[in-house]
Amino acid sequence: DAGVTQSPTHLIKTRGQQVTLRCSPKSGHDTVSWYQQALGQGPQFIFQYYEEEERQRGNFPDRFSGHQFPNYSSELNVNALLLGDSALYLCASSLPGSMNTEAFFGQGTRLTVV
Amino acid sequence: QKEVEQNSGPLSVPEGAIASLNCTYSDRGSQSFFWYRQYSGKSPELIMFIYSNGDKEDGRFTAQLNKASQYVSLLIRDSQPSDSATYLCAVDSYNFNKFYFGSGTKLNVKP
Repeated sequence: DAGVTQSPTHLIKTRGQQVTLRCSPKSGHDTVSWYQQALGQGPQFIFQYYEEEERQRGNFPDRFSGHQFPNYSSELNVNALLLGDSALYLCASSLPGSMNTEAFFGQGTRLTVV
Repeated sequence: QKEVEQNSGPLSVPEGAIASLNCTYSDRGSQSFFWYRQYSGKSPELIMFIYSNGDKEDGRFTAQLNKASQYVSLLIRDSQPSDSATYLCAVDSYNFNKFYFGSGTKLNVKP
């Protein structure tokens, strides 16, 4: 059983460019959340997708957008990249919101903006 | 603003000792509490979760929750050098897997 998979694992982009990160959830999971983890910090919630809709959003600008496909996989798009967007981007999958659910993380995508 | 606070450490313990990691949270309505382990350069790995006041044990790990004090802790018994990592406390207020993370406590277990 494959866990949560993310691609690519590493990425280098230039300021002002756009980037797309991809995530396939764990088998049986239909909810995908995205987090940004800066060096030395805990992950910060970006947004969550369920049934192809953005269900919740954290305090991130509109430059951060996403999508969920019918097979539950998801994309995170970041436009007009800034140096401060350099971070580890984590995808977590889980079962639909209910009591006592666990979230499992993918290996992450390390984004470096130069 | 929901806050989750952890001592950044590093916390150093000798091999075989008990490591005690602590976390406080600001939202009194928080429902679910998770401990993740993160090795350097890797993604967080779920260790255990707790929802009810009291203790929950899983092998060498014990999570303790005190909702009245808004406090959750993780005890690691018989600490091993392989336990050396950053431990992240995560709080889910409404059970929708929207986690608020602390900044993590770095644990060093010395052989």
